[in-house]
Amino acid sequence: DIQMTQSPSSLSASVGDRVNITCQASQDISNCINWYQQQPGKAPNLLIYRASNLQTGVPSRFSGSGSGTHFTFTISSLQPEDIGKYYCQQYENVPYTFGQGTKLEIK
Amino acid sequence: EVQLVESGGGLVKPGGSLRLSCAGSGFTFANAWMNWIRQAPGKGLEWVGRIKSKSDSGTTDYAAPVKGRFTISRGDSKNTVFLHMNSLKIEDTAVYYCATDLGVGATSYFDFWGQGTLVTVSS
Repeated sequence: DIQMTQSPSSLSASVGDRVNITCQASQDISNCINWYQQQPGKAPNLLIYRASNLQTGVPSRFSGSGSGTHFTFTISSLQPEDIGKYYCQQYENVPYTFGQGTKLEIK
Repeated sequence: EVQLVESGGGLVKPGGSLRLSCAGSGFTFANAWMNWIRQAPGKGLEWVGRIKSKSDSGTTDYAAPVKGRFTISRGDSKNTVFLHMNSLKIEDTAVYYCATDLGVGATSYFDFWGQGTLVTVSS
């Protein structure tokens, strides 16, 4: 199975800050990675698909980059409603696997 | 508007069985690959398995922890996907989500999710 190592596991930032979350795959997954946000008590929500494509309706402050084994998810200017947990997920191979998540809080 | 509504969760004893349902609307259900994903209390997301559309063979894939115990089936005439869970273990306790995969070509993603249904395995 492909392991997805996500970091950091938690972070605290101020409104307006630039936030980066990284995901390292245990093998080359090309650009087969998605990013999700899960707000407290809710189902996850797709933000970025195929490494860098913004899902319809998702604000443009969210972005993704990378290929191969190293990927980055960025929030360009953190907003209060962005609190929650963020997950990367690979779909290069079944079983699909998720990173362990990054809990994002506002300072 | 796409909607997915799960049902069937509840309390079950170890070794027991349960069937979850997920009813979809607002999209062409027969064309969707349907997934089950679970989240143990306070933990991260774990993919459970999927069923492809019948036009893409209708085959299923499962994660190792549930293979041989869980079965996914679909009833396209009723826009419903099922998760049949047998030989349940305490570690199967989780919120179970169904999610669509309406990705095109080789791109796959979970674009719509249900609200989740809680399965608790306890004696």
